[in-house]
Amino acid sequence: NAGVTQTPKFRILKIGQSMTLQCTQDMNHNYMYWYRQDPGMGLKLIYYSVGAGITDKGEVPNGYNVSRSTTEDFPLRLELAAPSQTSVYFCASSRTSGTRYSYNEQFFGPGTRLTVL
Amino acid sequence: AQSVTQPDIHITVSEGASLELRCNYSYGATPYLFWYVQSPGQGLQLLLKYFSGDTLVQGIKGFEAEFKRSQSSFNLRKPSVHWSDAAEYFCAVGADSNYQLIWGAGTKLIIKP
Repeated sequence: NAGVTQTPKFRILKIGQSMTLQCTQDMNHNYMYWYRQDPGMGLKLIYYSVGAGITDKGEVPNGYNVSRSTTEDFPLRLELAAPSQTSVYFCASSRTSGTRYSYNEQFFGPGTRLTVL
Repeated sequence: AQSVTQPDIHITVSEGASLELRCNYSYGATPYLFWYVQSPGQGLQLLLKYFSGDTLVQGIKGFEAEFKRSQSSFNLRKPSVHWSDAAEYFCAVGADSNYQLIWGAGTKLIIKP
């Protein structure tokens, strides 16, 4: 298994440009997540998905969009890039069964380092 | 609201010395608690987790953590650190109502030779 893969690894955007960060997992996990990591701030949840066709906002969704057409893929779209979106973006996935003790490990991709100038 | 505090931004430890990284949480019910490690340029990897039962939890790479309800703490420990332990360590707490995790800001561990 490749686990969680993310592309690209690095990207520089100009203000106002758009791009899609790709995320794919091959573990048949139902939950997928997008986080951003800023220095000294830990991880902030942008969007998450509980399964194909279902997405929901996290803590910091403004300026981003997501879709989940398949179990495997969970792309993150930036429509009008702004300097405030300079960050490292992580995609993660987990399997949950809906019961009290079904919190399971989140598996993370290697991240995408995005700079907006 | 739930929150996680890691009071130490950086910690420097000599190789072979013991380590304790602090984590305090705020949550009304029994929390789900996690420690993750992030090596430079990498994604995060789970070290250990606590859901219930024995309050001393063993993890990978020789790490352990102890849940202390009275202190709202879940501190990470290792008896003897190795240079390869240099990384950033994140504590997280999970909510009952969904499967989101609330993350601490992280503690960067620096190992002195």
